This record gives sequence, structure tokens and C-alpha cells, in this order.
Amino acid sequence: DGGITQSPKYLFRKEGQNVTLSCEQNLNHDAMYWYRQDPGQGLRLIYYSQIVNDFQKGDIAEGYSVSREKKESFPLTVTSAQKNPTAFYLCASSPAPGNTIYFGEGSWLTVV
Amino acid sequence: AQRVTQPEKLLSVFKGAPVELKCNYSYSGSPELFWYVQYSRQRLQLLLRHISRESIKGFTADLNKGETSFHLKKPFAQEEDSAMYYCALRPQGAQKLVFGQGTRLTINP
Repeated sequence: DGGITQSPKYLFRKEGQNVTLSCEQNLNHDAMYWYRQDPGQGLRLIYYSQIVNDFQKGDIAEGYSVSREKKESFPLTVTSAQKNPTAFYLCASSPAPGNTIYFGEGSWLTVV
Repeated sequence: AQRVTQPEKLLSVFKGAPVELKCNYSYSGSPELFWYVQYSRQRLQLLLRHISRESIKGFTADLNKGETSFHLKKPFAQEEDSAMYYCALRPQGAQKLVFGQGTRLTINP
């Protein structure tokens, strides 16, 4: 049904390796977001982007990097500097400031 | 700093009973408040927002600025209401959402 697509759904990586999570949206939304979801801690904002070629750090940006070269794509790289990378990662988008935020289905990352 | 607190991690009620999921926030400005729901094996989705003042799936939530609360209520719970519920706040003029820790609601038959 389109919307926001995250891939892969499940990913395993060895400690010390960088990993990139994909997020694509076909909703023509300007803003995109990455959240991390941990049990008992709710969702925490990693990075967000209001327009192409622009992004801002969220509350827990350390150890992560993003790019926004295209409107429809907002990949998240989890670097080896991230101390506790194992988590559920949610990508989201919204049409414009103040509009409803829509979420993808998420990606499970396990680092062993 | 903005903060959203959902004091109950788990809430269990019987079918047909009233349900109330608590949400308190800390913010000095005029916030926009939301409730998001995540049903089993589905993506997180918007349930309702305070500015709409609407009822979705029988749920309502009233913003109480005096008590800084936005509790979610439903008079008669149904089994399909079992899900994870998140309260969220959007600071004035901001795009990002600040989420609470979430409450897992279980409706027992």
C-alpha cells in the first residue's frame, strides 16, 4: 500500500561494524524522522530532516549519522561509536510542519 | 525541557469495563498533544490529537492544562483495544514529537 518502507526488517551485525538502515517514502512528505524504541523508554528522536539536504540532531544523535539527498529517502547509519545499538528503529514522515507524523513498520537491529 | 510521563507500563482491564490511560506532561508553552497506538504486528499509528477534539474508536482525551494531563479514556473496553499506547507532545513551533514510555493495555475477556 506504499507509504513508508523500511528495510531490512531484521538485521544482525557484529560489534564494530557500521550498518545502514533504509527508509523510503512515496508520500511526497517534506519532513522525515528517525526514532529509536527501547522497552520501557518509549520512542526517542535520533535525527530529523525538514527538507532535502538538511537535517538536525535529535535527543540521542551520538553514534548515528543520516543523509537526505533525495526527498523520498532518509537512510540512517548506526556507527561503531554507538554504545548500545541493539534496538528497534522507526522511521517516520510528515507532510509539513505541524502535520500528522506517519510511521514505518520498523527495523530490528541486533548487534552481537 | 519537554517531558511526557505515562505512569503505568502495564494496564489490564476486563472487557466492558471503563479504561483510562494516564499521561502527564511537562512543558512551559502551549503544547500539542497526541495519542498513538501500536496494535500487534502493525505500525505505530495516530489515534487522536487534542486539537481535533474527536472520538476515535470510542476513545477520547481532554487536555487539562491546569493538571498538565492528557488522559485517554474509553467507557467500555473491547478486546480489540489491546495494544501499546503512547502519549506524545509536540512543542509549540516544533516538528518533532516527544513520546512517553508507553502503556501496554490488555483487555481480558
